[in-house]
Amino acid sequence: AQKITQTQPGMFVQEKEAVTLDCTYDTSDPSYGLFWYKQPSSGEMIFLIYQGSYDQQNATEGRYSLNFQKARKSANLVISASQLGDSAMYFCAMREVNTGFQKLVFGTGTRLLVSP
Amino acid sequence: NAGVTQTPKFRILKIGQSMTLQCTQDMNHNYMYWYRQDPGMGLKLIYYSVGAGITDKGEVPNGYNVSRSTTEDFPLRLELAAPSQTSVYFCASSYMDRAQTWGGYTFGSGTRLTVV
Repeated sequence: AQKITQTQPGMFVQEKEAVTLDCTYDTSDPSYGLFWYKQPSSGEMIFLIYQGSYDQQNATEGRYSLNFQKARKSANLVISASQLGDSAMYFCAMREVNTGFQKLVFGTGTRLLVSP
Repeated sequence: NAGVTQTPKFRILKIGQSMTLQCTQDMNHNYMYWYRQDPGMGLKLIYYSVGAGITDKGEVPNGYNVSRSTTEDFPLRLELAAPSQTSVYFCASSYMDRAQTWGGYTFGSGTRLTVV
């Protein structure tokens, strides 16, 4: 069964510094996708970045990058130059391509607090 | 485009009451999902649908029912509400065509339900 593990319940970072949020996954499906979502205090789920299992390069979206290490089954999110507005819950999630119904499996999340 | 619309945004139910959480999408997505998010946790799949007339159980289906009579609508029914169903409920949709081209997930803004 597929599983996502986020071992950091909370992380603190100072404004303008970089921070890495950890995510490891487990799947037997060779085709899968990895996602990171941001959930601010308002509650909505905001898509940040996506990495496919066959993508050769690490995904990047502005200040977000995904450090994808396939052999280690890790998909860490790196946020560069943190901003106060980055304070939120961050969830890692995985989609197995061959299940046929495209569901997402979520980790338990990491709460990031950015201080001035 | 409105995307995925959930109603209501907030609801308080008494134990034993029933209600329907509404979800509608205007993107012609074939896949739809219901997730619940308990405090401090990630999202867990309740039910999903791969198209009109087809639904199946997810990870935590007990106490819920769904139907998918149209592509657009995927209501979630709570029968005999219990305090354990206090949670935030997210509806989501995604699209995959016959060429296995996948169009990404879209989440609704959530329904916060309290059972007292």
